Amino acid sequence: EPEVTQTPSHQVTQMGQEVILRCVPISNHLYFYWYRQILGQKVEFLVSFYNNEISEKSEIFDDQFSVERPDGSNFTLKIRSTKLEDSAMYFCASSPSWGGEQFFGPGTRLTVL
Amino acid sequence: GENVEQHPSTLSVQEGDSAVIKCTYSDSASNYFPWYKQELGKRPQLIIDIRSNVGEKKDQRIAVTLNKTAKHFSLHITETQPEDSAVYFCAATYTNSGFQKLVFGTGTRLLVSP
Repeated sequence: EPEVTQTPSHQVTQMGQEVILRCVPISNHLYFYWYRQILGQKVEFLVSFYNNEISEKSEIFDDQFSVERPDGSNFTLKIRSTKLEDSAMYFCASSPSWGGEQFFGPGTRLTVL
Repeated sequence: GENVEQHPSTLSVQEGDSAVIKCTYSDSASNYFPWYKQELGKRPQLIIDIRSNVGEKKDQRIAVTLNKTAKHFSLHITETQPEDSAVYFCAATYTNSGFQKLVFGTGTRLLVSP
């Protein structure tokens, strides 16, 4: 059964550094998402992406964040200048249809020191 | 605003008992309500979902009910087993300018004791 994959599984970085989190959605899916989960808290929506553009973003998704689909398979989340409070698990998800089931990747644990 | 409230935050039951987790949502236009199970350090996994045109859905030991009028939906697990122990999240779709996103509840930590 196809799955969403994410790399790396764990990223440690210094405050102020740029990080790129990578996701490979399920191949025939059209809708892509990034979520964040701070340790012990709920899953929070960051951004949705469809037809090569952002369809919606949350208040968390400020100018430090960007997303890209550089080729037909990868979907990336970039944080330009990381802050301590960016430490969290970042989940990518994809969906085959509007309003359909979202399939989550295994997550990338980002630790900002 | 966009909000999903979930109760209880923790739930301890004995193996074989039933467990019920309740959520409320704020947007009457929400039309899709998934439930995710998340084991420690792992991804959220969809266990059951319901759409707004249905009042109840069942899959073996798991059922979900939806009351659109009251904007409530609930997860029911019968004959609980220790492997049901995990954090359960409800979610509801919110639509803005034609695009939907999932808003999650705060989670319920379910502990099933043998």
